[in-house]
Amino acid sequence: EVQLVQSGAEEREAGQSLKISCQGSGYRFVNYWIGWVRQKPGKGLEWMGIIYPGDSETRYSPSFQGQVTISADKSTMTAYLQWSSLKASDTAMYYCARRGVGDLWGPGTLVTVSS
Amino acid sequence: EIVMTQSPATLSVSPGERATLSCRASQSLSSNLAWYQQKPGQAPRLLIYDASTRATGIPARFSGSGSGADFTLTISSLQSEDSAVYYCQQYNDWVFTFGPGTKVDIK
Repeated sequence: EVQLVQSGAEEREAGQSLKISCQGSGYRFVNYWIGWVRQKPGKGLEWMGIIYPGDSETRYSPSFQGQVTISADKSTMTAYLQWSSLKASDTAMYYCARRGVGDLWGPGTLVTVSS
Repeated sequence: EIVMTQSPATLSVSPGERATLSCRASQSLSSNLAWYQQKPGQAPRLLIYDASTRATGIPARFSGSGSGADFTLTISSLQSEDSAVYYCQQYNDWVFTFGPGTKVDIK
């Protein structure tokens, strides 16, 4: 089955670090870009950035550049989104999606950050 | 960064009627525009890409049109299961911005 599987919900305190994951299966993972999208509670979709697992070329939205790090491990067919110091404003659902045009989406990872 | 706007913010339509949603970009996109549907508690689902191409498995009642900076998503005969928020997204440059969404309610 072609799918993206995301890691489970996380709760952290402000200032802590976090790394969430998105694993692809059923297709050639290294050949497709993987993007990350944020959705704050009750709000719209925000495009964060994208990575090509084949060579780890990465592009960030200016709004998220320097705030998060996107990476990928092609040996495990997994993409990652990480924070070095979380803020309460990072509380959101985070989706990974295949390609810039998201033809395949993960179910989302809920990140809750308490202040 | 390209800015996307959508109108109306909310649309209330009776079952069987047509729904027309608009999306406008701050600069020309050629045809590099997608539409998504998102229901509560679910991930978005791709409906349309390249402005007018239906994604796999999408019913024919969904259609997209437009090019340049003005685009339209039409639901020809609204079904109850079409109640959702609809987002447009541009992918003309490397910051793939979304519009703010249009909520479609069933009357």
